[in-house]
Amino acid sequence: GAGVSQTPSNKVTEKGKYVELRCDPISGHTALYWYRQSLGQGPEFLIYFQGTGAADDSGLPNDRFFAVRPEGSVSTLKIQRTERGDSAVYLCASRTSGKGNTEAFFGQGTRLTVV
Amino acid sequence: DQQVKQNSPSLSVQEGRISILNCDYTNSMFDYFLWYKKYPAEGPTFLISISSIKDKNEDGRFTVFLNKSAKHLSLHIVPSQPGDSAVYFCAASKDNYGQNFVFGPGTRLSVLP
Repeated sequence: GAGVSQTPSNKVTEKGKYVELRCDPISGHTALYWYRQSLGQGPEFLIYFQGTGAADDSGLPNDRFFAVRPEGSVSTLKIQRTERGDSAVYLCASRTSGKGNTEAFFGQGTRLTVV
Repeated sequence: DQQVKQNSPSLSVQEGRISILNCDYTNSMFDYFLWYKKYPAEGPTFLISISSIKDKNEDGRFTVFLNKSAKHLSLHIVPSQPGDSAVYFCAASKDNYGQNFVFGPGTRLSVLP
């Protein structure tokens, strides 16, 4: 696709439920990032994939959060036993591989609301 | 601790004048800096970047200045246009490949017609 695509664009779930958020990066981008943005704040890093492997998951807040990228393209962020504090916009970004400074391209985000 | 700071939550500028958005960082390992613009209900859009080996990068109406000794960068928009009204995020990373970006909290720019 032309850009980073995230689905769904909005998700409302009940406290305690399980959710999956999907990210389809720009074709050929091997680096993929998940960020979370709360109201009035900047994007907060969650996890970074290089290919299929999670190169850095230091931003995941706790073990209820997990992400996969099994074929090195589409990624899914999974949140178990959702809490109201998980409500935020979840952003996905992708970036080209190789050396040199390059920007990351963001999707439009998934707005998650836990009620 | 906030490694990237944008101390002005908001800024209002008259159309046609210069907008100056500021950003400070604390981690001396950061060597690549970016500015993103965000409209409501959209993802951040890349605007301009600068490597630590430079002190200025210009792209049309947008110029980013980097002062490494002060750990400070700024984004200049001139002339400002109403369509520039958005939230601007400063971001930094530690090396030129693969590392995650650390974002500031953003500055909401309003350009008044």
